[in-house]
This record gives sequence, structure tokens and C-alpha cells, in this order.
Amino acid sequence: AQKITQTQPGMFVQEKEAVTLDCTYDTSDQSYGLFWYKQPSSGEMIFLIYQGSYDEQNATEGRYSLNFQKARKSANLVISASQLGDSAMYFCAMREGWSGGSNYKLTFGKGTLLTVNP
Amino acid sequence: GAVVSQHPSWVICKSGTSVKIECRSLDFQATTMFWYRQFPKQSLMLMATSNEGSKATYEQGVEKDKFLINHASLTLSTLTVTSAHPEDSSFYICSARGGSGSGELFFGEGSRLTVL
Repeated sequence: AQKITQTQPGMFVQEKEAVTLDCTYDTSDQSYGLFWYKQPSSGEMIFLIYQGSYDEQNATEGRYSLNFQKARKSANLVISASQLGDSAMYFCAMREGWSGGSNYKLTFGKGTLLTVNP
Repeated sequence: GAVVSQHPSWVICKSGTSVKIECRSLDFQATTMFWYRQFPKQSLMLMATSNEGSKATYEQGVEKDKFLINHASLTLSTLTVTSAHPEDSSFYICSARGGSGSGELFFGEGSRLTVL
């Protein structure tokens, strides 16, 4: 079974509107972390937002917010007021285990290609 | 945030040659670095975990003898693709663990390898 599932291969949004990118995860660990990264066409991976499994509040970073629904094992990314520069590939990722542990990896979903239309 | 630099960004080589890619943490010490591979329009797949001063830990299915990883210092890890073939053409990207409690990974700019 896939550990990270992103069901939307592509999404379109009008400039200045909000968009939600879906991510569901599968883990038996109690301690884990969820990440969203943006990858523009240049290839670099840009960290957007992080949510720890024990965090009670949904994470927010500027125009990015993470809608964390632990019981449903979902961690959707919400981008408000979309901008043309937001057009990129977006990856959801999970770190299983304690963040301070020495043996951890990020598992990535397949990504969602977001296109912002003017 | 922390900066990870990767070099070269682009490399084209002939089949059968070896190519070395460097990954440096510029403003922090990284005892652990990770090497990922990404095929066009696909996700990142972890290849190996590079540990300073010890042998790398490879993921299942990754050939240790083809993808040599050396982590000789706290700021440098190298990936050498030995006897490269066209099927090794890919985007290789390294990452290093930051110092924050999140275990956030900072990524290099990536290296696009084309084997002719």
C-alpha cells in the first residue's frame, strides 16, 4: 500500500482564488510528520509547511495552510489567493517516527501539478 | 533557512563513463544526507542515506556498486554514478537534515544527468 497518496495528478485554479491539494497517508506510527514541498520547473524542492502528528493546531505559513485531519489520515494543503508563480508541482511527504530519531526518511507522494490561470 | 548546494546542475556524459555529483551543506553540519532520484513527471525515490564517516545505507533495489556514495566530511557527500548507461539518465537530488526538531530536509538544487 502506498504510504502517501495524492489523487490529483493536475489541478487548475484562477489567479487570486484558493485551491486545496489533497494528501492522504498511511502509517502505524504514533509519531510522524507531514510536509509539503513545491517543485517548480527548475527542479529545486522548496519547503512550504510542516505538521507534526501531535500538533493540535493546523499549521499555517503565510498563504499556505495545512488541513490536518488525523482520524481521516489526511493532510491537505490549502493555498489562498493563488498567484501565477504558484504554478508548480506539489509533493506531500511523510516522516515516520520521532523527529529526533537518527533513522528517518521522507516518503513522497506522486505529486500534483498545479496550474494557476490568469 | 539552511542551504544545501549541489554541483553540477547539468551533466552530459558518454555511456561507460563515471560521473560525480557533490552535495554540500553550506551553513550547517550534516551528519546525514539523503540521495533521491526523480524520473520525469514522477515522484522522488530515496536511493540511499549517507552517513558521515560510515557506509551509506542503500534502499532496496539500488545497486551499491553503481551508485557509490561517500560522506567524507560533515558538509560534503558525493554520489558517483559508475559506468553510466542511458537508463541512468535522471534528476538526482540530495538533501540534508536541518537542525530543527521537525527533521525538515533541505534540498539541493538537483543535478540532471544525461547519458548518451
